[in-house]
Amino acid sequence: SSELTQDPAVSVALGQTVRITCQGDSLRSQYASWYQQKTGQAPVLVIYGKNKRPSGIPDRFSGSSSGTTASLIISETQAEDAADYYCSSRVTSGDPVVFGGGTRLTVL
Amino acid sequence: QVQLVQSGAEVKKPGASVKVSCKTSGYIFTSYAISWVRQAPGQGLEWMGWISGYNGNTKYAQKVQDRVTMTIDTSTTVSLELRSLRSDDTAVYFCARGMGTTADFDYWGQGTLVTVSS
Repeated sequence: SSELTQDPAVSVALGQTVRITCQGDSLRSQYASWYQQKTGQAPVLVIYGKNKRPSGIPDRFSGSSSGTTASLIISETQAEDAADYYCSSRVTSGDPVVFGGGTRLTVL
Repeated sequence: QVQLVQSGAEVKKPGASVKVSCKTSGYIFTSYAISWVRQAPGQGLEWMGWISGYNGNTKYAQKVQDRVTMTIDTSTTVSLELRSLRSDDTAVYFCARGMGTTADFDYWGQGTLVTVSS
């Protein structure tokens, strides 16, 4: 399958650590990219490749992968981290790029 | 600094065509591809296709491949044309710079709202 599956919603207490997951067969051989999107704004790349962060992304954002599951981990979650998070990856069958359905992160 | 600046909002009737442009600056255009990603109201991200800045080669998503054309209009501007518009094409359309042929899009345009309504 070329789909990526994410939990629709996750919540975390302020200052705690949260893991947002993305499942898909393509993740056995491809890294996931992770995007943060706030309401009315364009997505922002936060993690790509093997746990790489673009310039300007805080180091509380990290990525990991195991088997068919990729994870975005946010440590010491801040109020401004509340957003929708999307994973994506290359796939080898069908369309070459696929996005997960997105996870809405609520910071309590 | 890298910038992708898109054209303004459009309102179209069903069956019409729309062309959205994305003017790039601040990097070597031929070293990257540009992808188009759309987002229907309240929905997730949907990849539509990419165009190579190096040679103009394209790859389109199966869902839209019969109705879409991506072109390089000038040395730094790419465009997306979508034909035979339907109400479910109503969405914000983003251009995004791709790092090689990966799913890593490091810079995005501001988005263009296309509304299809009779």
